[in-house]
Amino acid sequence: GAVVSQHPSRVICKSGTSVKIECRSLDFQATTMFWYRQFPKQSLMLMATSNEGSKATYEQGVEKDKFLINHASLTLSTLTVTSAHPEDSSFYICSASADTQYFGPGTRLTVL
Amino acid sequence: GENVEQHPSTLSVQEGDSAVIKCTYSDSASNYFPWYKQELGKRPQLIIDIRSNVGEKKDQRIAVTLNKTAKHFSLHITETQPEDSAVYFCAAIPGGSGNTGKLIFGQGTTLQVKP
Repeated sequence: GAVVSQHPSRVICKSGTSVKIECRSLDFQATTMFWYRQFPKQSLMLMATSNEGSKATYEQGVEKDKFLINHASLTLSTLTVTSAHPEDSSFYICSASADTQYFGPGTRLTVL
Repeated sequence: GENVEQHPSTLSVQEGDSAVIKCTYSDSASNYFPWYKQELGKRPQLIIDIRSNVGEKKDQRIAVTLNKTAKHFSLHITETQPEDSAVYFCAAIPGGSGNTGKLIFGQGTTLQVKP
């Protein structure tokens, strides 16, 4: 199957700083990628749909100015958590669509 | 928008027994229903999926059934093994987007298989 990577796998940052997470489709091109957030012992919640060459579509309740998404190429989407706070600590997972959806390994963000 | 409800939240079975997890969805236009297995700290892994033109699909010990009229679908695992222990999520893609649209997940079921 297709491979999706994420970087970094873990990040610890101080409150108020920004963190960038990369999602790459390694062996296929993805015009659409998705970003999910998962709190401990909870389900995956869709944050936004990342569209190559256009603005991301955010789900209701997700602040687009706080979670900046850039899909600059057919193989790369980035999620930047701006001015991170402890409540942003979570597991962030991306997915990319080929014949089906393939998930990245996730990024564990801890904001101190 | 689409809403997916999943039950039970936890399920404990003896090794060799069967496990059933049930989900309901709200968007009648949804036509693709995948099931994922997630181990702690790892990505969800697709274990089986079903499309709305099919009522049942089976892959070895795993089967999924779909009732479009009632808008519910179920995961059946037979002859459970300890390595089946994980969190299972159902999902639906709303609005007839096929199998590449955004996923709306159920709340998850923690399955424990006791040796």
